[in-house]
Amino acid sequence: EAGVVQSPRYKIIEKKQPVAFWCNPISGHNTLYWYLQNLGQGPELLIRYENEEAVDDSQLPKDRFSAERLKGVDSTLKIQPAELGDSAVYLCASSQSGGVKAFFGQGTRLTVV
Amino acid sequence: GNSVTQMEGPVTLSEEAFLTINCTYTATGYPSLFWYVQYPGEGLQLLLKATKADDKGSNKGFEATYRKETTSFHLEKGSVQVSDSAVYFCALSIQGAQKLVFGQGTRLTINP
Repeated sequence: EAGVVQSPRYKIIEKKQPVAFWCNPISGHNTLYWYLQNLGQGPELLIRYENEEAVDDSQLPKDRFSAERLKGVDSTLKIQPAELGDSAVYLCASSQSGGVKAFFGQGTRLTVV
Repeated sequence: GNSVTQMEGPVTLSEEAFLTINCTYTATGYPSLFWYVQYPGEGLQLLLKATKADDKGSNKGFEATYRKETTSFHLEKGSVQVSDSAVYFCALSIQGAQKLVFGQGTRLTINP
């Protein structure tokens, strides 16, 4: 069974440019999460989806970050415009609805220069 | 609020040494507790979990016991191997919230 797939693995962009990350969760997992992991820190939740509905986006900086999960399967996280401080690893995870065991992708490492 | 505090790393041990990585938590409600591991170049993987007080989670020779009285979930292994070198994250999740709160991680290096 395929795990959580994220792309790209690495991205380098100049500040003020837009960037997007893509995530395909494990088949059958209705819950999808985006986490932000700064260097030397643990991941922090940005947004959680139940199917296509964002049920917890309280930690998402909505002035520059947006996310969508239009068909309740794969998801895209966007930053526009990117800032130097956005350099981090962006992790996607999925789980079964009501479950607390989350499966993580390998992450996208973003470098803003 | 909810938070997790791990012992600071990095931790360096020799093969076959005994390992303890301390983890304490603060939570409202009754959390489930987890240890996740991140091997070099790989994503986070669930290592073990415990969902109520006095539960012991175990996997791959690692163990951790949910201690409500000391709000702790320390990770232990009796004899570490080089392949255990990784970053270990302690985390909690509040029932119904499905939101993992992670500690800062502890980098473990095992030398042969």
